[in-house]
Amino acid sequence: AQTVTQSQPEMSVQEAETVTLSCTYDTSESDYYLFWYKQPPSRQMILVIRQEAYKQQNATENRFSVNFQKAAKSFSLKISDSQLGDAAMYFCAYRSAYRTGGSEKLVFGKGMKLTVNP
Amino acid sequence: DGGITQSPKYLFRKEGQNVTLSCEQNLNHDAMYWYRQDPGQGLRLIYYSQIVNDFQKGDIAEGYSVSREKKESFPLTVTSAQKNPTAFYLCASSDRRGYEQYFGPGTRLTVT
Repeated sequence: AQTVTQSQPEMSVQEAETVTLSCTYDTSESDYYLFWYKQPPSRQMILVIRQEAYKQQNATENRFSVNFQKAAKSFSLKISDSQLGDAAMYFCAYRSAYRTGGSEKLVFGKGMKLTVNP
Repeated sequence: DGGITQSPKYLFRKEGQNVTLSCEQNLNHDAMYWYRQDPGQGLRLIYYSQIVNDFQKGDIAEGYSVSREKKESFPLTVTSAQKNPTAFYLCASSDRRGYEQYFGPGTRLTVT
């Protein structure tokens, strides 16, 4: 079974600075997707960024980028120019690319609380 | 606007009562999912459905039941057999490709 680990339960960053959130995962599969979701105080889960395992190029979405290290099974999220609105819980998630029974589910880490200080 | 709606936002029940949480989507997505979130935990999959009239158990299905009579709707019933029903429940859906799951705003269920 796949597992996702977020070892840092909390982090803080000064507004306008850069912060990196870490995530590691364990799988025996070669094809999969990795995601970062954001959960603000409203508790709505919002997709931040997605990475396909077969792509060597790291995904970027505006101020958000990932460092995907497939061999190390590491998937970190970098937030540049942090804003007050970035304060939230951040969850790393894994999904198999193989469409067999049960493989479509997302496997989540336990999350990390990011505080942005003005 | 396309999206997923869950109602109600807050729900209170007495122990021993069944309760049904609503989830509706107008994204024309084939697949729908129910997750449970507890404090300090990630989300755990309860049930999912890839097509109308078909659904599968997730990791923590005991004490829950679902139906999928319409593509747009995937209600979750929390039965009295669920030992610790107080939690935050999130519904999600994805298209046929299944690359991404889109989430509803959630329902906070409190059972006393």
